[in-house]
Amino acid sequence: DAGITQSPRHKVTETGTPVTLRCHQTENHRYMYWYRQDPGHGLRLIHYSYGVKDTDKGEVSDGYSVSRSKTEDFLLTLESATSSQTSVYFCATRAAGGYGYTFGSGTRLTVV
Amino acid sequence: GIQVEQSPPDLILQEGANSTLRCNFSDSVNNLQWFHQNPWGQLINLFYIPSGTKQNGRLSATTVATERYSLLYISSSQTTDSGVYFCAVDSGTGANNLFFGTGTRLTVIP
Repeated sequence: DAGITQSPRHKVTETGTPVTLRCHQTENHRYMYWYRQDPGHGLRLIHYSYGVKDTDKGEVSDGYSVSRSKTEDFLLTLESATSSQTSVYFCATRAAGGYGYTFGSGTRLTVV
Repeated sequence: GIQVEQSPPDLILQEGANSTLRCNFSDSVNNLQWFHQNPWGQLINLFYIPSGTKQNGRLSATTVATERYSLLYISSSQTTDSGVYFCAVDSGTGANNLFFGTGTRLTVIP
């Protein structure tokens, strides 16, 4: 989707290294979300943001942190990557008062 | 969070066949959406349907909120319908976070 850009699209990293994934939106949506997708689990919420500098934890937040210093960017950081964090990560946005979610194309992260 | 169960987990259809996918959820919901994830991984919103029935071409969806289930109907299936279909719900609290089911993987063969 042209309104949401995730970078990088693919990354291989070593256990114990920090990793930052970026989500950039041009939609001016208030809400932003980070999900991970794993076989057998569907998509699970990691963290979300309801405004600049306003963030909260989702159901699988351990080992992750986020930051949102401006409306258009939402960063997800793996503080010390582990093999269990090998996954596909999706960013999503939603407008205030709306119900429609828009998803980015995903980042495939492999931790070796 | 809300529990979401989808069935069947896998479905193989001959092109032209019809199918029904089911989504059960454990609590009252403020929002229910159906998504299609294509073979390239892109998630596309199909329906926002917290109650009632909607149709979009060969696809339609019905949600019976009082009985906590939703159905997605695919008629005259095409190979381009292949992929994973997800149901996702939220309770209307917090930032309206969506809770996803584990999906139904649909394969349409020519």
